[in-house]
Amino acid sequence: IQLTQSPSSLSASVGDRVTITCRASQGIRSYLAWYQQKPGIAPKLLIYAASTLQSGVPSRFSGSGSGTDFTLTISSLQPEDFATYYCQQLESYPFTFGPGTKVDIK
Amino acid sequence: EVQLLESGGGLAQPGGSRRLSCAASGFTFNTYAMSWVRQAPGRGPEWVSAISGNTEDTYYADSVKGRFTISRDNSKNTLYLEMTSVRAEDTALYYCAKHYYDVFDVWGQGTMVTVSS
Repeated sequence: IQLTQSPSSLSASVGDRVTITCRASQGIRSYLAWYQQKPGIAPKLLIYAASTLQSGVPSRFSGSGSGTDFTLTISSLQPEDFATYYCQQLESYPFTFGPGTKVDIK
Repeated sequence: EVQLLESGGGLAQPGGSRRLSCAASGFTFNTYAMSWVRQAPGRGPEWVSAISGNTEDTYYADSVKGRFTISRDNSKNTLYLEMTSVRAEDTALYYCAKHYYDVFDVWGQGTMVTVSS
């Protein structure tokens, strides 16, 4: 199962609403997770089962979608949110990651 | 506190071998599946291999199938990745990750493997 993400990068300002999309090459029901990664640090789980917020993750992060099309939304971008975001499908092995979306400061 | 600590990284010759370990603590190790995920410099994460909690089921990415072997010793709370016939394209930071239902909820800090002559 292949995953594509769009955009591959974006520039945004603090307070902006940011939306990242992930598309699967075949239906994966809701078996999709979103991770945030900062340089030199392991990925951090944000969202699982497409829309369930991981404990401790701020509520400005939300996920939606099922089947082949998914969205990660950051409602009001904060300075600590500048990072790279990856989706991952866990519907079947081999589990695959998307190519990533880098969010940087405008 | 749930922790995963990888070790065993370093320099490997092309065609050589390397054994990675991941020491787990803070949770009941034998009840969770575990995975290895790698990340080449400047690239995104790539899932490598997974093993069930009872060791009965193992899974591999096509890129490592037949060359890498995942295993675990539940008595020692340790996960392993035996890497053989390594190639330059195996150069990466290798993470172990704990499964929680259908997601990787805890990751280690990674151990770097460099394949070079």
